[in-house]
Amino acid sequence: DGGITQSPKYLFRKEGQNVTLSCEQNLNHDAMYWYRQDPGQGLRLIYYSQIVNDFQKGDIAEGYSVSREKKESFPLTVTSAQKNPTAFYLCASSIPGTETGELFFGEGSRLTVL
Amino acid sequence: GQNIDQPTEMTATEGAIVQINCTYQTSGFNGLFWYQQHAGEAPTFLSYNVLDGLEEKGRFSSFLSRSKGYSYLLLKELQMKDSASYLCAVLDSNYQLIWGAGTKLIIKP
Repeated sequence: DGGITQSPKYLFRKEGQNVTLSCEQNLNHDAMYWYRQDPGQGLRLIYYSQIVNDFQKGDIAEGYSVSREKKESFPLTVTSAQKNPTAFYLCASSIPGTETGELFFGEGSRLTVL
Repeated sequence: GQNIDQPTEMTATEGAIVQINCTYQTSGFNGLFWYQQHAGEAPTFLSYNVLDGLEEKGRFSSFLSRSKGYSYLLLKELQMKDSASYLCAVLDSNYQLIWGAGTKLIIKP
């Protein structure tokens, strides 16, 4: 079945460590996104990519990095520079230029810094 | 700045009707979305409005008034499985999605 797969679902990290969250999609979508979700706040855009080998910073890119070497894959690295990384991370994809721009989300990855 | 407001939490009874409001102030408007998110899960698409009026889809309807910067999601014949958070999001003039914090809907028997 087509969809978006995020892994791991739960991740624990010590302070000062970098971690990489995986996001893979087989929907053949060009655009992919990373959001962060915190309690009581709306989704906040970290990075997005509309085409392979190109990506743009979102509203809260500091302390994060991404790559888009393949259409299917858009991994997110949470670096030690991210001051408050404990959050729920959501990866999404869409077909750019469609009328609705509907987003398809992965199941999410919950990162906890110990 | 850009802002989307929705109530933090609402409670309703199984079988009843509930209306979740969303007001927005954004730089431009290219459509409004409603998503449903069960606890610990990913959001799923419910509706999209770009023109004024009511869009009906089964038990769920979504209304938009662009002049008032206002939308609502109407849920009829509530079921226990409708207990979830409902997220309102607006596509601004740069085609970026601005998200509300979500409304947690609690359904009681």
